[in-house]
Amino acid sequence: DIQMTQSPSTLSASVGDRVTITCRASQSISSWLAWYQQKPGKAPKLLIYKASSLESGVPSRFSGSGSGTEFTLTISSLQPDDFATYYCQQYNSYRSSFGQGTKLEIK
Amino acid sequence: EVQLVESGGGLVQPGGSLRLSCAASGFTFSSYSMNWVRQAPGKGLEWVSYISSSSSTIYYADSVKGRFTISRDNAKNSLYLQMNSLRAEDTAVYYCAREGIYCSSNACYFDYWGQGTLVTVSS
Repeated sequence: DIQMTQSPSTLSASVGDRVTITCRASQSISSWLAWYQQKPGKAPKLLIYKASSLESGVPSRFSGSGSGTEFTLTISSLQPDDFATYYCQQYNSYRSSFGQGTKLEIK
Repeated sequence: EVQLVESGGGLVQPGGSLRLSCAASGFTFSSYSMNWVRQAPGKGLEWVSYISSSSSTIYYADSVKGRFTISRDNAKNSLYLQMNSLRAEDTAVYYCAREGIYCSSNACYFDYWGQGTLVTVSS
């Protein structure tokens, strides 16, 4: 099975900061990677699919990049609504798998 | 508007059974593959099971294989998860999730999720 590793596990930042979250796959997954945002008590929300495609309705301050085994999610200018937990998901393998999550906290 | 509404969660003893349902609306349910994803309290997301639009292809995570059964009824716009031989480690919020469009040949991302239903396995 493909293992997904996110870093950091926790990230403290301020409104207006530019932040980057990294996701590494244990083997190549081409560009078959998605990013989700989850707030406490809520279902995950799709942000990015196919590594860099922005889901409809998602603010353009979110962007994704990468291919193969290394991927990044960047938020260009943090807004108060962005403080949440972020997960990556690989869907190259029929047994899809998620990273362990990155909690984005207010500094 | 796409809606996915899970039901059927609750408290069950170890070794017991539970059947989860997911009612879909706002899209052509029979055209989409569907999945169950779970999240243990305070933990991350874990994919559980996949079913193709016609039910012809089904996959399970190793952690539930042989104990859980996924099914769907396209006439009723509903997805199900029959959970048998439940264990404490199955305690989680269970989400049904619709697959997106730009998928790999093997799997896909999830563009819509239900609100989840909590399953607690405890004596």
